[in-house]
Amino acid sequence: GAGVSQSPSNKVTEKGKDVELRCDPISGHTALYWYRQSLGQGLEFLIYFQGNSAPDKSGLPSDRFSAERTGGSVSTLTIQRTQQEDSAVYLCASSSTGGRLNTEAFFGQGTRLTVV
Amino acid sequence: AQSVTQPDIHITVSEGASLELRCNYSYGATPYLFWYVQSPGQGLQLLLKYFSGDTLVQGIKGFEAEFKRSQSSFNLRKPSVHWSDAAEYFCAVGARAGGTSYGKLTFGQGTILTVHP
Repeated sequence: GAGVSQSPSNKVTEKGKDVELRCDPISGHTALYWYRQSLGQGLEFLIYFQGNSAPDKSGLPSDRFSAERTGGSVSTLTIQRTQQEDSAVYLCASSSTGGRLNTEAFFGQGTRLTVV
Repeated sequence: AQSVTQPDIHITVSEGASLELRCNYSYGATPYLFWYVQSPGQGLQLLLKYFSGDTLVQGIKGFEAEFKRSQSSFNLRKPSVHWSDAAEYFCAVGARAGGTSYGKLTFGQGTILTVHP
């Protein structure tokens, strides 16, 4: 597709359950980011993938959060044993590092996660 | 580590008035700088970016921003605001990470813009 695609767009889950959020970046983009947006917290960086380099996981809030990127394309963010404070919009973005310079990061529409 | 401060949480202007949204960053070198806009229920859209060169950058929708190294600022401006500009605006910084790439983006807390008719 032309843009960053995230699925599902909305997810309601019970506390304690695991969830998987998916991100399809723009084709050819080597960099992929996950952010979390919640009321009063702004945009929190979670994790950053750049090509074959080790990901920057410095923003993951706890060991319940993990992410992987298979084949340098699709990424999955997994939250285990969800808690109510995990409720937020999870945003994925991708950018190109081809050529001389990164392009800007293009964002998906996000997945709204509600933990009940 | 880089950080971004947007001092104004909420700004209200009248339609047709000029606008300036403030952004201050903390980073040891010249960063990459971005302004994004988010309308209600929508994703983030890039307004403009600064990588190098001319410190006054033009963006979409009539916005511009000026990089001032001495003030560590990258304020967003528009000479005449339209009702459709009502949205939340985010300033972001990307640290140069080898060559010409940047690593993670750090965002400010956002400024909500309300436009009165």
